[in-house]
This record gives sequence, C-alpha cells and structure tokens, in this order.
Amino acid sequence: QQPVQSPQAVILREGEDAVINCSSSKALYSVHWYRQKHGEAPVFLMILLKGGEQKGHDKISASFNEKKQQSSLYLTASQLSYSGTYFCGTELTGNQFYFGTGTSLTVIP
Amino acid sequence: EPEVTQTPSHQVTQMGQEVILRCVPISNHLYFYWYRQILGQKVEFLVSFYNNEISEKSEIFDDQFSVERPDGSNFTLKIRSTKLEDSAMYFCASTQTGPGNTGELFFGEGSRLTVL
Repeated sequence: QQPVQSPQAVILREGEDAVINCSSSKALYSVHWYRQKHGEAPVFLMILLKGGEQKGHDKISASFNEKKQQSSLYLTASQLSYSGTYFCGTELTGNQFYFGTGTSLTVIP
Repeated sequence: EPEVTQTPSHQVTQMGQEVILRCVPISNHLYFYWYRQILGQKVEFLVSFYNNEISEKSEIFDDQFSVERPDGSNFTLKIRSTKLEDSAMYFCASTQTGPGNTGELFFGEGSRLTVL
C-alpha cells in the first residue's frame, strides 16, 4: 500500500541536482512531499493536487503524473541544508495517509 | 505560529507496562493522526481520527493500541501492554482538511518510546 520511492539514498556535492521518484500501485489523489532532518519531525514541502501539476519552492520543485501514479521531486543546485530524508505522502482510501519508503539525501561540500 | 505539541518527549518503560502518549493538535484542525517511526526507518501510518472516532487504522494498530480525545484539546495514544518492538518514535499530526483533499500535515516533535 505504501508508495515506493527511488532511489533509497543519494549523495550529492553542493550545487548538483537530484531527482527523487515516488510511485504508487494505487490511484493517487494528491501527493505531498516532506523532508525530515535527523531526530526531527517531518516538515511539509509541498502538495500537488492535480495530475499534470508542477510546483516550485525555491530550488525544489515537483511534478505529479496522475495517470502513471507517480510523482517526482526535483532538487536543483543542492545546498547543504537540503540534507535529510525525503518522503512522499499520499492519501489512500478514506482517511489513510501513507508515507513513501523514504529517500536519504546527503549533500557534501 | 500554532503548533502540535507532544508529551512526553521520551519515555522509558518495562515490557508489559501500559504507556500513554499525549498530543495537543492545532486548535482549529479536525483530523488527527498517529504515526510510528522505528529508528532510521520509514514513517508508518497507525491511525486517523475524526469527529471523536477512528476513521482509519492500519494493520499495525491492533488491539493493544487505542486512541482517545478525552477533552477538546488532547489526543492520546495508549499502548496497553508494551513489547520490545514497540520501541520507536511516535508522531502525532493534525490537519485542517481531510479525505479527498488532505491538507498539509503538521507534526509534533515526537515521543520517543523505549521498551526494556
């Protein structure tokens, strides 16, 4: 039931780009993205509500392909502060909100 | 800025003991959630709660777990007879809008449960 993310982990040098993918076997009604720093709670990044929607937030953006039941998070010109674990989240039936398997991102100088 | 608060931040208990974790969601939020995160692993859905009753629960949320909203502000998770594998961080979250258009989830800082 849980969305699957890829890659599981990625290491970047500052300034490099990364793409994190989120894929569901069930229909996606909306997709959330969260970032969790070590020892902290997840923090909301953005929500995509419609298929085809793309959103940007500083140098972090995301797209949502409703038909393919996929979403991707794009991090461009990565900064050290981008390090953390990224989770997509999606609502399944009713009021079940599940998070993806997570992607650990480490940005090094 | 309104925030979700959780207590205790850390609890150590003996196997078989009962534990109550407390959460105060943001005051105008209507939907509440408990999640569990075993160290270094994924964030697992336990239960959602709306209108003073459970709306959904996962297979993890078995008979040893219960949730309550005893008054207008607190939202509690009770684990009746703790097991070693219950050791995890437990996050409470709340949101204003629910099914069909789940809004941003606001998380508390978490309660770390250690079962010995």
